[in-house]
Amino acid sequence: QSALTQPASVSGSPGQSITISCTGTSSDVGGNNYVSWYQQHSGGAPQVLIYDVSDRPSGVSNRFSGSKSGNTASLTISGLQGEDEADYFCSSYTSSSTHVFGTGTKVTVL
Amino acid sequence: VQLQESGPGLMRPSGTLSLTCAVSGVSITNSNWWTWVRQAPGKGLEWIGQIYHTGSFDYNPSLRSRVTISLDKSKNQFSLNLTSVTAADTAVYYCARKYLWTYFFDNWGRGTLVTVSS
Repeated sequence: QSALTQPASVSGSPGQSITISCTGTSSDVGGNNYVSWYQQHSGGAPQVLIYDVSDRPSGVSNRFSGSKSGNTASLTISGLQGEDEADYFCSSYTSSSTHVFGTGTKVTVL
Repeated sequence: VQLQESGPGLMRPSGTLSLTCAVSGVSITNSNWWTWVRQAPGKGLEWIGQIYHTGSFDYNPSLRSRVTISLDKSKNQFSLNLTSVTAADTAVYYCARKYLWTYFFDNWGRGTLVTVSS
């Protein structure tokens, strides 16, 4: 299975909105609604932000939102803040009952 | 729920990597899939595999020939064995929990770095 494709980096100014894409195939992203997103600060473990394409666990800011169209999922961060500077990874369940992660996106707050 | 990885830190090429994830706060016989994920230095996350308390398991196809994940119910922990390691297996290894009938990882350990070097 191949890693899902994400842009290597995305940047924005405080208060702006940014969107990170995650492109897969019909065997993963496009084949179900089990896309999740994780935030990883430097040196830390990943933490789930979004699951099932657009649901947020309790405690996660509503500035984070998810969506999907075809084989591409997206994570939008609204009202960008300095604490949002981190690496972001998407993940999808696959038709083979496995999981695959994205290549990762580094978010920089200018 | 808390997960804590432990492992060798440094190992030689061609050996077998053995890692353990100690689980606290929940029994590993509950309705959870227990998962291993790794991250090579400066790289992305790679899903290694998962095991359910019944013994059902799934592995990453690219690692399937070298991976075994097992449970130790008496110690409330699960383990990862990876054979014939090379420098390419150098990574931070995380254990994580996925609740039954969900498709995301809601609890992660802090990770343990394993370096393969001669």
